[in-house]
Amino acid sequence: GAGVSQSPSNKVTEKGKDVELRCDPISGHTALYWYRQSLGQGLEFLIYFQGNSAPDKSGLPSDRFSAERTGGSVSTLTIQRTQQEDSAVYLCASSSEGWATDTQYFGPGTRLTVL
Amino acid sequence: DAKTTQPPSMDCAEGRAANLPCNHSTISGNEYVYWYRQIHSQGPQYIIHGLKNNETNEMASLIITEDRKSSTLILPHATLRDTAVYYCIVRVGTSGSARQLTFGSGTQLTVLP
Repeated sequence: GAGVSQSPSNKVTEKGKDVELRCDPISGHTALYWYRQSLGQGLEFLIYFQGNSAPDKSGLPSDRFSAERTGGSVSTLTIQRTQQEDSAVYLCASSSEGWATDTQYFGPGTRLTVL
Repeated sequence: DAKTTQPPSMDCAEGRAANLPCNHSTISGNEYVYWYRQIHSQGPQYIIHGLKNNETNEMASLIITEDRKSSTLILPHATLRDTAVYYCIVRVGTSGSARQLTFGSGTQLTVLP
């Protein structure tokens, strides 16, 4: 079946511009995560959505970052007034949280470059 | 989540089995062993997970010792496309709250032609 998809695959923007990154999770997955990964670094958790519950925004680095998930499916991560330090690969993952485990399946990521 | 220890790098000849070890001596009874990999410039890819029994799927086999303090991921016939960083993670199952993944340093597996 179809996996997690993300768009665009690459985004180059100028400092100060706003960007929107999109994630289409695996159909039926109730949980959705956004992470970012800087070059050569590990995963940095950003935000978590689970069903109709309020999202866990504890990983968002600043108020310039926001995300929404419409209809429990597609999610959009928005970065306002981008800065050069926002340059990274933004990864989305989804899972169907069952009783015992919650295997996360990742999309290919969006590589964001802020000039 | 329990800490894991993996060798920083390993080589394997193409067509041979790749055996990647992971130590998790502080694992708790309700913690699962997960393996992911990340090929250069791609998103992480789930491979396999297990609790205490050995597991096999189309990608790999997972062997967990009886005391659960270590495990081995086996790629039975490694190909050049298996060159990646492999991450062993120990984590509790779902808890209804954010269960973000944290990758350690992992093992850089290089499959040689």
